[in-house]
Amino acid sequence: NAGVTQTPKFQVLKTGQSMTLQCAQDMNHNSMYWYRQDPGMGLRLIYYSASEGTTDKGEVPNGYNVSRLNKREFSLRLESAAPSQTSVYFCASSEVFADTQYFGPGTRLTVL
Amino acid sequence: QKEVEQDPGPLSVPEGAIVSLNCTYSNSAFQYFMWYRQYSRKGPELLMYTYSSGNKEDGRFTAQVDKSSKYISLFIRDSQPSDSATYLCAMKVFGNEKLTFGTGTRLTIIP
Repeated sequence: NAGVTQTPKFQVLKTGQSMTLQCAQDMNHNSMYWYRQDPGMGLRLIYYSASEGTTDKGEVPNGYNVSRLNKREFSLRLESAAPSQTSVYFCASSEVFADTQYFGPGTRLTVL
Repeated sequence: QKEVEQDPGPLSVPEGAIVSLNCTYSNSAFQYFMWYRQYSRKGPELLMYTYSSGNKEDGRFTAQVDKSSKYISLFIRDSQPSDSATYLCAMKVFGNEKLTFGTGTRLTIIP
């Protein structure tokens, strides 16, 4: 039982490049989330998905797109990376309306 | 004004001391309160959660909620070097999927 896994662990991009961050969970959870964590800002929700086939914007969705590929997988895409998107990105999953969200290990992204 | 305010620290205390970590919030609709622990370069992990005013104890950890003052606390007794981490408070409204996090307090326990 791996929990929530994320790939890649680290990535460096140039401004304007695109990339997709991958997330998978093996806990059969319905809800999945993407957060970014920046110094002094805490964790901020980018997008979430309450179930397969549905996605909703969070607090900071601009510049990102998401795909809920199936129940297990939830990807985050940066179409044209900007230096302001330099951050640590965390994926999380939970049961619907559950008290606990389980987090992955994070992806450290630097945009030059 | 942020919905959840948390002193970022850093906070350094000697081993064995009692640690008090705090958050205040402005949204009276918050009903579920959580504390997450995050080790360096790791994802957050749930430490404790509660949905009622008062104290909840789990080993060396006590979570305290005062809804009238919109104030929550986490107390760590007999602190250990392994408690060195960033502690994030989080809250949510009943029936809502979204968590609102504090910025986190970085704690170091000095042996």
